[in-house]
Amino acid sequence: GDSVTQMEGPVTLSEEAFLTINCTYTATGYPSLFWYVQYPGEGLQLLLKATKADDKGSNKGFEATYRKETTSFHLEKGSVQVSDSAVYFCALGGGAAGNKLTFGGGTRVLVKP
Amino acid sequence: GAGVSQTPSNKVTEKGKYVELRCDPISGHTALYWYRQSLGQGPEFLIYFQGTGAADDSGLPNDRFFAVRPEGSVSTLKIQRTERGDSAVYLCASSLRDLADTQYFGPGTRLTVL
Repeated sequence: GDSVTQMEGPVTLSEEAFLTINCTYTATGYPSLFWYVQYPGEGLQLLLKATKADDKGSNKGFEATYRKETTSFHLEKGSVQVSDSAVYFCALGGGAAGNKLTFGGGTRVLVKP
Repeated sequence: GAGVSQTPSNKVTEKGKYVELRCDPISGHTALYWYRQSLGQGPEFLIYFQGTGAADDSGLPNDRFFAVRPEGSVSTLKIQRTERGDSAVYLCASSLRDLADTQYFGPGTRLTVL
C-alpha cells in the first residue's frame, strides 16, 4: 500500500538556520503530495502542496519539489524563525490513492533564538 | 468564517463503553474525512464521506467503528465496546468537493479509554 517516510525528529535549529526535512513516498500511480504543519496548541493546517512531477509548492518561505525519479518531496526553508517551531507532516493523496491522505509520522522542529 | 469544529474536545470513558464523537464541517463542504492520530504518529485515515454516503470506509479498523452523516453536514463517529487501544486523538476534516480542494482540519477529540 501507499506509505510516507519522513525523517525523525526532533530537529533543533538556531534562528536563521537552513531547514531541510526529508520525505520519501511509495505510491501507486501519481498522487498529489502535501506538507501539513501543526503549531503548538493548534490543528493541522496545509502548508503547501504539489500535484504533479516537477511541481514546486511554496508558502511562508517554505518550498518542496515533487521529484518522481527519487519519489521524494523534501521540505526546505532558507532562514527559520522561532515561530516556525512546530510538527511537520508529509502526506500523499489523490490519484490511485483515492480521496484520502496518507501521512508520515511527523517531524518536530524546534527553533531556538 | 467558522472552521471545522469537533465535540467534545476531550472524552474519558471506561473500557467496554460506547462513545460518539461529533464533527461540524465548514458550511457547504461536501467532503468529510475522519482520521485517528496516536501519540507521536501521523494521522491515519478512517473514513471519507461525499455528501451523505460513505465513499471510502477502508480505514475503519473493525466493526466496532461506525460513522454517519445523515444530512450531508454534521458527522458522528461511533465506537462500540471501546478498548484501551482506541485511545487517540480523532480528527475530522472537510473540503469543498474532494481531495483536489484543501482539507481543513478540526482541533480533534482526545479519547482516553481507561
